[in-house]
Amino acid sequence: GAGVSQSPSNKVTEKGKDVELRCDPISGHTALYWYRQSLGQGLEFLIYFQGNSAPDKSGLPSDRFSAERTGGSVSTLTIQRTQQEDSAVYLCASSFRSGQLGTEAFFGQGTRLTVV
Amino acid sequence: GNSVTQMEGPVTLSEEAFLTINCTYTATGYPSLFWYVQYPGEGLQLLLKATKADDKGSNKGFEATYRKETTSFHLEKGSVQVSDSAVYFCAQSGGSYIPTFGRGTSLIVHP
Repeated sequence: GAGVSQSPSNKVTEKGKDVELRCDPISGHTALYWYRQSLGQGLEFLIYFQGNSAPDKSGLPSDRFSAERTGGSVSTLTIQRTQQEDSAVYLCASSFRSGQLGTEAFFGQGTRLTVV
Repeated sequence: GNSVTQMEGPVTLSEEAFLTINCTYTATGYPSLFWYVQYPGEGLQLLLKATKADDKGSNKGFEATYRKETTSFHLEKGSVQVSDSAVYFCAQSGGSYIPTFGRGTSLIVHP
């Protein structure tokens, strides 16, 4: 499809297990963002990729969280040793090169992660 | 740092009522301002945007004006419909290039 695709749409995991969340951005978009959406908390920025530049990891909440973007396209967010407080909806967005006036971010439908 | 504050919800209205959702921002420089909407079961999508002071963004009967003097970007609609029931997010994107979002305001419209 032409939109941002995320998989899986739902993930239930046991506390302490590792999980990988995948994002396929829109073709040609050089900027990619991960956000976390918790109930009543809005969108929390996690990490930002722009082209081949070093990612901005300033939003990652702990060293259990990491992300990579291969070939400037697909991105994987990995959470190691999951905790119950990691339960949330993880959103991926992409855009044309950010920093330009009015650049719109296109969002995927998210991965709902539940840690039990 | 950059931030966005929007009114807490839920906002509950009857069909054809007037809607205002307040949004204010803090930023260095002159950010672009956005309203995104998340309909039930769907992802966020852009509703409207404005890129400079006094610009008015509009779409689907919704409007918001970029007010630099009050650092605000309030969302308005003259007559809401049941189909407008959704969560609305105010956002800014400025020098950091990373869009910053408010907490979202849930709108519930009753027939």
